[in-house]
Amino acid sequence: DGGITQSPKYLFRKEGQNVTLSCEQNLNHDAMYWYRQDPGQGLRLIYYSQIVNDFQKGDIAEGYSVSREKKESFPLTVTSAQKNPTAFYLCASSTGQVYQPQHFGDGTRLSIL
Amino acid sequence: GENVEQHPSTLSVQEGDSAVIKCTYSDSASNYFPWYKQELGKRPQLIIDIRSNVGEKKDQRIAVTLNKTAKHFSLHITETQPEDSAVYFCAANTNAGKSTFGDGTTLTVKP
Repeated sequence: DGGITQSPKYLFRKEGQNVTLSCEQNLNHDAMYWYRQDPGQGLRLIYYSQIVNDFQKGDIAEGYSVSREKKESFPLTVTSAQKNPTAFYLCASSTGQVYQPQHFGDGTRLSIL
Repeated sequence: GENVEQHPSTLSVQEGDSAVIKCTYSDSASNYFPWYKQELGKRPQLIIDIRSNVGEKKDQRIAVTLNKTAKHFSLHITETQPEDSAVYFCAANTNAGKSTFGDGTTLTVKP
């Protein structure tokens, strides 16, 4: 879906460094989500937001932080507290209504130098 | 919270054969079950979905069945083609719109 843009596609982090992953959508969706994808483990929810200026922790929020200051933007910061940050990160959005699927971005692959 | 189990984790079929992927969920409040296909290096994309008040839905070669009593749902792909090779994820949604995903099934269709 061209409506969700994640950047950068590849990101490298040094030990002890915070990095921010960008996610922008122009679908006018209320809800946005961040997932972590590791081989063989499917999609695990990090944080989600159902409305501007509000967000909730998902299943694996430790070591991550988010903000939702604008409807179209939901950046994810991977902090130095996240001890195993190497993964593929997917951002998604939906209308937030019942019976509606999520639309995904192309993902960001984060690696530790 | 919701827990979704997906089987098998890998599936290899010959071109033209059928493929079946099964998922079970734990939360009886889940009422929407989408299936996503993720090709190598690409984003997951919705291929079919089913609501809790429907038992079966079909779209060309793809069908999904839901057994609400047993809390399981399945994806059926008939006449498989090499381009069906991908990772398939099932998911279960509650009214809040939050999805819980299965761990994925890697389908390989051999020509």
